[in-house]
Amino acid sequence: GAVVSQHPSRVICKSGTSVKIECRSLDFQATTMFWYRQFPKQSLMLMATSNEGSKATYEQGVEKDKFLINHASLTLSTLTVTSAHPEDSSFYICSALRDGDNSPLHFGNGTRLTVT
Amino acid sequence: GQQLNQSPQSMFIQEGEDVSMNCTSSSIFNTWLWYKQDPGEGPVLLIALYKAGELTSNGRLTAQFGITRKDSFLNISASIPSDVGIYFCAGRYNFNKFYFGSGTKLNVKP
Repeated sequence: GAVVSQHPSRVICKSGTSVKIECRSLDFQATTMFWYRQFPKQSLMLMATSNEGSKATYEQGVEKDKFLINHASLTLSTLTVTSAHPEDSSFYICSALRDGDNSPLHFGNGTRLTVT
Repeated sequence: GQQLNQSPQSMFIQEGEDVSMNCTSSSIFNTWLWYKQDPGEGPVLLIALYKAGELTSNGRLTAQFGITRKDSFLNISASIPSDVGIYFCAGRYNFNKFYFGSGTKLNVKP
């Protein structure tokens, strides 16, 4: 169990457009999900904590109006990159925390975003 | 957020050799986790440790939760080419606070 599905795996978009990335916990409920950004050869940089039924908590320096997070149900969180620019090109990864126990984080397979 | 000190940054080893990597922190953690990430994919959980002193194995992998709760190591025995990847440690501070090491890139020469 504990499968996290992230979609799409790759997306190319033009500058100025918006892109939505979905993160689903397939076989467990996750009140809390996390969104990360990963630059080449670097570790995971936490962008925000997504909370079902409430506003996301953003890390310092992450623009909440640019990276919109919606955690609409216990199994789905979405990250929308609004008005994308080439500097937003990156690898975005979500993870989900199963409710109710001390279980570890489980990650999605990541989304490679390229903004042209 | 806070980063753990993970070492080494990279390793170049011969197939069949054993590997060891570790993470240290100035903070106490309740849980230590070890992940492997292949290029273009998300990290995959290898081992989870929940108690100080705990030693857990997963096939050729062995990890320990340091007795001070501020460190953990991961050993890989008899490495094979498919062990190539980046290994991350993670420490859990409370329910929803996780901190990640900077990664150890493992290269295995056949």
